Formats: sequence, structure tokens, C-alpha cells
Amino acid sequence: EAGVTQSPTHLIKTRGQQVTLRCSPISGHTSVYWYQQALGLGLQFLLWYDEGEERNRGNFPPRFSGRQFPNYSSELNVNALELEDSALYLCASSLLEGASPMAYNEQFFGPGTRLTVL
Amino acid sequence: GDSVTQMEGPVTLSEEAFLTINCTYTATGYPSLFWYVQYPGEGLQLLLKATKADDKGSNKGFEATYRKETTSFHLEKGSVQVSDSAVYFCALSKNNQGGKLIFGQGTELSVKP
Repeated sequence: EAGVTQSPTHLIKTRGQQVTLRCSPISGHTSVYWYQQALGLGLQFLLWYDEGEERNRGNFPPRFSGRQFPNYSSELNVNALELEDSALYLCASSLLEGASPMAYNEQFFGPGTRLTVL
Repeated sequence: GDSVTQMEGPVTLSEEAFLTINCTYTATGYPSLFWYVQYPGEGLQLLLKATKADDKGSNKGFEATYRKETTSFHLEKGSVQVSDSAVYFCALSKNNQGGKLIFGQGTELSVKP
């Protein structure tokens, strides 16, 4: 079974540009999560999508946005890039099993996209 | 707000040494607790989890027990191997937080032969 895939692997952008990161979840998983792993800041929750809808959002400015497509893949868009957006962006997927409390659901992570903003 | 605190790294051990990585949490209610591992150049993998007080999660020789009285979830392994070298993250999640994981800062472990 294929795991979570992300593209591209690496990106270099300049301040003010826009970037789109892509994530394909494990087949059958309906939920996609985005996290930012910035140096010195640890892993921070960005966004959660389930069944095509944004379900929860972390403490990030509106220039961080995304969407989930009917095939459950997802995009993360970052507008007006700033130097501090340089980070590893991790995508995770899970299957929200109906009978299981949400907190129990295991999240499976992709290898990440390394974004460098110059 | 809810948070997770891990012991500072890096931790350097010799092969076959005993490992403890401390993790404490602050949270209302009854969170689920997780340990994730990140090998160099890879994404995170779930190592083990515990969903209620006194539960013990275990996998690949690693263990952690959910202690509500001390709000802790310390990771232990009796005999580490060079292949255990990685960054370890403690995390929590709660039903009312939309599936998000709250992570500790991570602890880098280096095991020398």
C-alpha cells in the first residue's frame, strides 16, 4: 500500500512569491492534515481537511490556505511568502473511523516538502 | 492552552544502553498521547500510543505509560541500537480539537556503536 506522498520535495522561493504544495493521502483516507516544522519552533498544526471541507485551522495568518479535492488529495497555498515561512511542511492523512473517537485516529505522515524562502 | 514538554536534547548513548526520554503534558480533559519518531530525511512515524490513564503503549522494544497523576508519558527502551538514532516527538490530541496533534519540541537521540 502506497503511503502519503508529497510534492515537490524541495522548493526555493523569494519573498513575496506564492507557493503551492501538494499531498496525496493513503488510499481510502478521507482526512488530510498539514503541519509546519520550522527550525526552533517545532511542529505546528496548520490545517485539517475532511471530506472536502476545512474542519480546523491552526494559529496561522490567512495567507496560508488550502483545499481538498474530491479524490481527497490536498493543496496548501502560501501567499506573500516571508523569510520565516522557510520550513518543512508535512502532510498527514487518517481515516476517521465512525465508531472511534477522533483522538484515537492515527495520522500517517508523508516525507514533507522543504520550502526555503530567500 | 494545551501543551507538551520534552526533555532537551541531543541525547547521546552507547549501544545497548537504557533510554528514557521524558515527556509531560498540560491539558484539560482526557487527551490521547503519542510518541512519533522521525528518522533522518523522512517524515514522522507513529511509534506508540495510549488513549487513557494507565494504558501502556509499546512497539519495537519501546514503551510508555500514560500517567495522569503526574501528567507524564515517558518513553523508555531497555537496550538501544544504532538504528534507533532519530528525533522523537511526544504529542497529544483531544476529541474537541479537530484531530490536530500538539507536539513537543522533539528530542534528538544519537546512539554510538
